[in-house]
Amino acid sequence: AQRVTQPEKLLSVFKGAPVELKCNYSYSGSPELFWYVQYSRQRLQLLLRHISRESIKGFTADLNKGETSFHLKKPFAQEEDSAMYYCALSQTGANNLFFGTGTRLTVIP
Amino acid sequence: EAGVAQSPRYKIIEKRQSVAFWCNPISGHATLYWYQQILGQGPKLLIQFQNNGVVDDSQLPKDRFSAERLKGVDSTLKIQPAKLEDSAVYLCASSLGRGAWSSTDTQYFGPGTRLTVL
Repeated sequence: AQRVTQPEKLLSVFKGAPVELKCNYSYSGSPELFWYVQYSRQRLQLLLRHISRESIKGFTADLNKGETSFHLKKPFAQEEDSAMYYCALSQTGANNLFFGTGTRLTVIP
Repeated sequence: EAGVAQSPRYKIIEKRQSVAFWCNPISGHATLYWYQQILGQGPKLLIQFQNNGVVDDSQLPKDRFSAERLKGVDSTLKIQPAKLEDSAVYLCASSLGRGAWSSTDTQYFGPGTRLTVL
C-alpha cells in the first residue's frame, strides 16, 4: 500500500524567509512524486513533479529515496505563495494519484 | 484551451436522497478521474476511466456510488442513497493519457462540486 504524509497542516513564514513544506511517503515500488497547489478560489493545479527536476515559481523538490521524502523548498517566500499545497504519489506505471492531507502556507507581509 | 467543466458547483440534499454530478473533460483527453475530497483531507481517487472503460474503481463504494462515461467524453457520478459522510467536494480531472503510461501525463482539475448532505 502507499501513503503520503504531510506533517504540517499549517505553516506561516515571513516574506523573504525560506520555506520548506515536508512530505514523506511509503511505497514498495518506484514512485513518481508531485506537488500540487491550490490558490484561493482557484483550481488544484500541478506545481512540479520530481521526474522533471525543474524549478517552478522558485520552488524545487528533491526526491530522497533513502529518507522517502520529497520536501518542497523555496529560498525566499513571496506573498503570492500563500496557498494550499498537496504532495502526491503515483504508482509505478500508473497515472493515479494518492494525495497527502495538505499544508496551508501563509506568507506574512 | 477550455478547462475541465463540472456542474453543479454546489448541491445540498438530505440523507437518503440521490444526487448526480456531471463532468466535461478537456477536449481530446482520454483519461478521466473522479476524486472525493472530505474537509481537511487530500483528494481521494474514486474511479479512473480510460476512454469509456474503467481502469481503477477500487476505492469506489459500489453499494451507493456509480459512475459512467458512455461515449468516452462526458462523465456522471451518482450517489444513491446519500449518507452524511458523503459530504465533500467532488473533483473531476482529465489527462491526455492514451493507454501507455507517460511520465509527463498531467492531470487537470475542474472546479469541483461541493456536496452537503443534511
